[in-house]
Amino acid sequence: EAQVTQNPRYLITVTGKKLTVTCSQNMNHEYMSWYRQDPGLGLRQIYYSMNVEVTDKGDVPEGYKVSRKEKRNFPLILESPSPNQTSLYFCASSPGTGPYEQYFGPGTRLTVT
Amino acid sequence: GESVGLHLPTLSVQEGDNSIINCAYSNSASDYFIWYKQESGKGPQFIIDIRSNMDKRQGQRVTVLLNKTVKHLSLQIAATQPGDSAVYFCAEEAADSSYKLIFGSGTRLLVRP
Repeated sequence: EAQVTQNPRYLITVTGKKLTVTCSQNMNHEYMSWYRQDPGLGLRQIYYSMNVEVTDKGDVPEGYKVSRKEKRNFPLILESPSPNQTSLYFCASSPGTGPYEQYFGPGTRLTVT
Repeated sequence: GESVGLHLPTLSVQEGDNSIINCAYSNSASDYFIWYKQESGKGPQFIIDIRSNMDKRQGQRVTVLLNKTVKHLSLQIAATQPGDSAVYFCAEEAADSSYKLIFGSGTRLLVRP
């Protein structure tokens, strides 16, 4: 089944404890992206990747890192999480080189205390 | 700043009626617009997209209309069904990069039986 998977689905952590949210797609897609979703703010793009080893900042990249060492994986890293990073995070992938017809993962609910 | 807004945060329609969800955008140079549907507890799902060289595009029971003169985008759903109940997001290309998407805050569609 073609899909985007994220792990973990739920995470509660404390301020400053490094964490990684994994994202994997099995569709051989070129483009991948991370978004955060907060009430009243819609989805905001954190980082995106046009291909392996090619990443760039979205609108809200502060406090996040990403890497794209393999085509299928695009992990999101929070080196020192803070409470304002409490949010619902979505990974997405697209068959083209841009954000067209993206397939979204199921989401990761992160709480930072 | 750049924004994608919506006229109505919540739309309630009778089952079987047509629904129209509106969206205003700010980037007059945007070449690409897209609609997503998000059901409760799930990631967004692609519905339909349109490029700036078109005024209208039809899919299965859905039509997207683009009015570049007034920077307005709308999603029409024919014969609305209970399964259409969800939050609908419009999005446009960012002004600074065609690899980035700017999302609106969403409209909740409620279908009355």
